[in-house]
Amino acid sequence: GQNIDQPTEMTATEGAIVQINCTYQTSGFNGLFWYQQHAGEAPTFLSYNVLDGLEEKGRFSSFLSRSKGYSYLLLKELQMKDSASYLCAVYMGGGSYIPTFGRGTSLIVHP
Amino acid sequence: KAGVTQTPRYLIKTRGQQVTLSCSPISGHRSVSWYQQTPGQGLQFLFEYFSETQRNKGNFPGRFSGRQFSNSRSEMNVSTLELGDSALYLCASSYDGGANTGELFFGEGSRLTVL
Repeated sequence: GQNIDQPTEMTATEGAIVQINCTYQTSGFNGLFWYQQHAGEAPTFLSYNVLDGLEEKGRFSSFLSRSKGYSYLLLKELQMKDSASYLCAVYMGGGSYIPTFGRGTSLIVHP
Repeated sequence: KAGVTQTPRYLIKTRGQQVTLSCSPISGHRSVSWYQQTPGQGLQFLFEYFSETQRNKGNFPGRFSGRQFSNSRSEMNVSTLELGDSALYLCASSYDGGANTGELFFGEGSRLTVL
């Protein structure tokens, strides 16, 4: 089976750094990705990690440790517009690319 | 280029009815997948179609079905609606099902309310 855990809600201050953690237990692994979803809008792709390590993309970075079943999304220089839900998802193994999503972390950025 | 388009955006049905939702993927994308999003369960995978064939299926009852046409447009159908089917139904398209880049392009969804 598969299980993906991430915190339900986090708050942070504008200009700060926040780290959103995601742990997973799956039977096989083909990659982990992060999506951002603003209220009432479609999820939008942020990052995709297949190998261990840190992937940096502007203010956003994503880290993966396959041996620990662990990932985090790091947001730097937070802006008010970063207030959104952040979804962690994993592709299971076995040749099928069925994404399993966590329930999302609602990030609230305040002034 | 145009994004993923889902219709209708909002609809209200009563228990026992059936509903059909439509999704037009980004031009050139061959994979269309469907998801149910609820506050309690989050985003759950329904099924994926690739070149008119159902390639993957999630753990939903047979009341949920779908199909894909030769132009890659897809429809999903829910029969004998139940109150618990009230949700946001999201469609996502990609060229390869996300296998290489992980990137899925989502539509804004169809919000279904079952009374």
